[in-house]
Amino acid sequence: AQSVTQLDSQVPVFEEAPVELRCNYSSSVSVYLFWYVQYPNQGLQLLLKYLSGSTLVESINGFEAEFNKSQTSFHLRKPSVHISDTAEYFCAVSRDTGFQKLVFGTGTRLLVSP
Amino acid sequence: GAGVSQSPRYKVAKRGQDVALRCDPISGHVSLFWYQQALGQGPEFLTYFQNEAQLDKSGLPSDRFFAERPEGSVSTLKIQRTQQEDSAVYLCASSLGYRGNSGANVLTFGAGSRLTVL
Repeated sequence: AQSVTQLDSQVPVFEEAPVELRCNYSSSVSVYLFWYVQYPNQGLQLLLKYLSGSTLVESINGFEAEFNKSQTSFHLRKPSVHISDTAEYFCAVSRDTGFQKLVFGTGTRLLVSP
Repeated sequence: GAGVSQSPRYKVAKRGQDVALRCDPISGHVSLFWYQQALGQGPEFLTYFQNEAQLDKSGLPSDRFFAERPEGSVSTLKIQRTQQEDSAVYLCASSLGYRGNSGANVLTFGAGSRLTVL
């Protein structure tokens, strides 16, 4: 079985500061990794995913995550955050890209203040 | 429609009542998932449909939970004799893909139905 740990329930940062949201996973088989973002009163939106190939993946709005197999991590980073990045971020794993049955972490609330 | 639509957005039920939550996926999406998200937790898998077939219901917490997708499009999650521990946000998600597809399928989530059981 797979599991996901997001140790930080809340991360407060100032606008334009860098941020890292941590995600560690546990699995006995190869997995695929995802970050989802949830804005208030909205559904989960896929931010980025790692399926294969380059271990560094990027989103269109400046976030990036690096798959580290030896440390079983998939931390999310952004060099300079905006107020609009305030949201809940969920890390998730799946065994099968086709099936997409996801196991989620408990989420990290990113609070960006001016 | 353009996205996954869920109704009602909010539902308050008295303990013991039956509730039905509806999900209208993106047109043409083969796969449909239901997840349960308790307060302060990440979503947890409940069940999965490929078209009208319910291929996995391993996450349904008890036999009071029942889901259907009779025509392979709209799905309904029914909870009988609701209990306080059923209070959560119920998320529906759909995707183009199905088991065995090696493509990168992206799940599109609805905004959820928030159930409060008093």
